Amino acid sequence: DTEVTQTPKHLVMGMTNKKSLKCEQHMGHRAMYWYKQKAKKPPELMFVYSYEKLSINESVPSRFSPECPNSSLLNLHLHALQPEDSALYLCASSQDHASSYYGYTFGSGTRLTVV
Amino acid sequence: AQSVAQPEDQVNVAEGNPLTVKCTYSVSGNPYLFWYVQYPNRGLQFLLKYITGDNLVKGSYGFEAEFNKSQTSFHLKKPSALVSDSALYFCAVRDSNAGNMLTFGGGTRLMVKP
Repeated sequence: DTEVTQTPKHLVMGMTNKKSLKCEQHMGHRAMYWYKQKAKKPPELMFVYSYEKLSINESVPSRFSPECPNSSLLNLHLHALQPEDSALYLCASSQDHASSYYGYTFGSGTRLTVV
Repeated sequence: AQSVAQPEDQVNVAEGNPLTVKCTYSVSGNPYLFWYVQYPNRGLQFLLKYITGDNLVKGSYGFEAEFNKSQTSFHLKKPSALVSDSALYFCAVRDSNAGNMLTFGGGTRLMVKP
């Protein structure tokens, strides 16, 4: 298995809703990442988990809450989002975070629309 | 911090012609450089990487990239473009001065016309 699987592929939510994005990989990677990508822009890093511990939080608003239940799973819990949070949310994984040698494997993303 | 720049927002090329997507880098020490491709509403797909060794790196789908230290460039190339190559291309560097994060260039949209 050489994939990163993200669910759901599309999500429409109201500003008062609570929802979660899920990401799963079975490649034995020990680093996992959440990125946010606006149309025609590069991905922007949100969070990094290394060995199931949050190692980087790029000043993301608290309405985004990451969780790493185990080494294969990564969740992003969403609450009270704003319309400007609408974007493609990408999950990625890599062999580890400390080494520069490895690139990332990306999932196909969740297209989130906040109404 | 280490960074990469993609000077062209869009590159247009006719099918069958060679294509080049430009990337320049600014790093201290040895650069770890990557190219990714993104099709509409999809995640990023790895194309190739330069870590060390030969300056010409071969990757997926017939793409290759040339690492040029004197010009601090890592341009993506393909001898004969296909319409299906039309996509968004990102150059990236792993920034050893910023926790080994993967930092992306702004992206270049490649349009291959029949």
